[in-house]
Amino acid sequence: DSGVTQTPKHLITATGQRVTLRCSPRSGDLSVYWYQQSLDQGLQFLIQYYNGEERAKGNILERFSAQQFPDLHSELNLSSLELGDSALYFCASSVGSSIISYEQYFGPGTRLTVT
Amino acid sequence: GQQLNQSPQSMFIQEGEDVSMNCTSSSIFNTWLWYKQDPGEGPVLLIALYKAGELTSNGRLTAQFGITRKDSFLNISASIPSDVGIYFCAGLPSGAGSYQLTFGKGTKLSVIP
Repeated sequence: DSGVTQTPKHLITATGQRVTLRCSPRSGDLSVYWYQQSLDQGLQFLIQYYNGEERAKGNILERFSAQQFPDLHSELNLSSLELGDSALYFCASSVGSSIISYEQYFGPGTRLTVT
Repeated sequence: GQQLNQSPQSMFIQEGEDVSMNCTSSSIFNTWLWYKQDPGEGPVLLIALYKAGELTSNGRLTAQFGITRKDSFLNISASIPSDVGIYFCAGLPSGAGSYQLTFGKGTKLSVIP
């Protein structure tokens, strides 16, 4: 158990809908990262938040957005869903953005199926 | 952006055999991490490397940070069935403002009992 929690575990929705994925980082971790993993694909970095502020953006679509709240949990919002958005979405957390540690600890993921 | 080439893409080995996989890049990395992912689960951090030439072990796993800083290697000794999974390398590129890990596409390991 990495200490990172994600809900829900599974999500099935229709095209055009909007969903929210939730992540709680490990206790003490200030950074949260979101990744997308499609079938047989590697991990694609979407976005990072550090202590409530957006720190970096990767290949995140404009239909997707995220935020990190004062209690450090994070939500990833996916809107106008398309079939191609079906994937595993992982949240990871790390201590911070300092040079000391870049070790990221992953949650169990949310499997999104768009029908 | 930087890319990591991970090889082999997949491998089938007999239980008890040793396994080697590697990750290479055309650019310099400051940090290398190795993860294992079981089907439907999140990646689990196995080993972290921070210095060129560093050799670190975690049980039967040994990883090395290449001297050129452009590669890393993971070895698994005496493989067992629970070693099955996908192994990902991840690296932190050198350069100011680099905070994002770059992930390889993974090596899928199958162990034949």
